[in-house]
Amino acid sequence: AQSVTQLGSHVSVSEGALVLLRCNYSSSVPPYLFWYVQYPNQGLQLLLKYTTGATLVKGINGFEAEFKKSETSFHLTKPSAHMSDAAEYFCAVSSQYDLIFGKGTKLSVKP
Amino acid sequence: NAGVTQTPKFRVLKTGQSMTLLCAQDMNHEYMYWYRQDPGMGLRLIHYSVGEGTTAKGEVPDGYNVSRLKKQNFLLGLESAAPSQTSVYFCASTLLPSGRATDTQYFGPGTRLTVL
Repeated sequence: AQSVTQLGSHVSVSEGALVLLRCNYSSSVPPYLFWYVQYPNQGLQLLLKYTTGATLVKGINGFEAEFKKSETSFHLTKPSAHMSDAAEYFCAVSSQYDLIFGKGTKLSVKP
Repeated sequence: NAGVTQTPKFRVLKTGQSMTLLCAQDMNHEYMYWYRQDPGMGLRLIHYSVGEGTTAKGEVPDGYNVSRLKKQNFLLGLESAAPSQTSVYFCASTLLPSGRATDTQYFGPGTRLTVL
């Protein structure tokens, strides 16, 4: 069975600081991994995904994530936070027909 | 393309009332999903459909029914609403299953339901 654990329900960073959102997964098969972002009062939209190939995946808005099989991790990073990055971020792992989502991490960006 | 749309956007029900949430997509996607989102719980799958005329239960199906009579529409019904069903409901669709393929799920804007 597949599962996802996001460490930290809230993360606060200063504008310009590094953003690091942590995600660990469990999967009985080679995983497909996703990060989605949800802005207030909106649906989720895809930031990036890992399927096969290069383990460092670049997404939209300057985000990237690295798949580390040995650590069963897929952490999301951005070198310099912007105020517009304030949102909730969800890590997800694929199952047979759908995605298993983590509980989410709310990112706050301080001026 | 409108993408994935949901109606209504907001609804308040009394306990015991019924309602239907409509999800429509214009991307010719095969797979459609209904999730509920509750604070601190992430998204939990209610029901999903792998094609027109088919439906299947997800993680939290109790108290809900679904139908997929047309490929572009996926309806979620609450026959007798309960306060525990107060939530934000999201519909999503994908061309192929996200599980063993690479396709993105596209989400609707959500329906905020309050059951008093």
